[in-house]
Amino acid sequence: NAGVTQTPKFRILKIGQSMTLQCAQDMNHNYMYWYRQDPGMGLKLIYYSVGAGITDKGEVPNGYNVSRSTTEDFPLRLELAAPSQTSVYFCASSSLAGGGYEQYFGPGTRLTVT
Amino acid sequence: GENVEQHPSTLSVQEGDSAVIKCTYSDSASNYFPWYKQELGKRPQLIIDIRSNVGEKKDQRIAVTLNKTAKHFSLHITETQPEDSAVYFCAATTRGTGNQFYFGTGTSLTVIP
Repeated sequence: NAGVTQTPKFRILKIGQSMTLQCAQDMNHNYMYWYRQDPGMGLKLIYYSVGAGITDKGEVPNGYNVSRSTTEDFPLRLELAAPSQTSVYFCASSSLAGGGYEQYFGPGTRLTVT
Repeated sequence: GENVEQHPSTLSVQEGDSAVIKCTYSDSASNYFPWYKQELGKRPQLIIDIRSNVGEKKDQRIAVTLNKTAKHFSLHITETQPEDSAVYFCAATTRGTGNQFYFGTGTSLTVIP
């Protein structure tokens, strides 16, 4: 299993541009998450999904959108990028089957908005 | 929602000494408390976790304790080694509402050889 994969690894955007961060998992997990991690800070939840077709806001959803058309994929869309969105973005997945809790993280996407 | 506080923000220890990192949480319904280790430029990885029906859990040199009454939990690393140097995050969740994790702000641990 590849686990959780993210693309791209790095990206530089100009203010006002848009982009989609890709996330995929091959563990058949129902739950998927997007976090941002600012320098020296913890992880803040942007959006999460409990299954295909179901998404919900986390702590810091403004400026982002998500969709979940399949179990495997959970893309994060940035519209009108702003310098405040400069961060490292992590996707994660989990399965509550069998009493599980652990979230598995992807390798991250480092985004700079200038 | 849940609020998780983590202390200290930085910690330096001599190789071979013990390190302790503490977290408090606010929601008494939280029932799962993982600890993640993040090396520089890498993804967070689970190192140990504890559920609310257990008071202590050990895995070789690392242990976690939970005090539900006081709503705090701690990570203990014994016989520290240079490869333990990393940022450690605690988290809490109620497992409901999408199993949302609420993370602490992290502790940067440096083990001095």
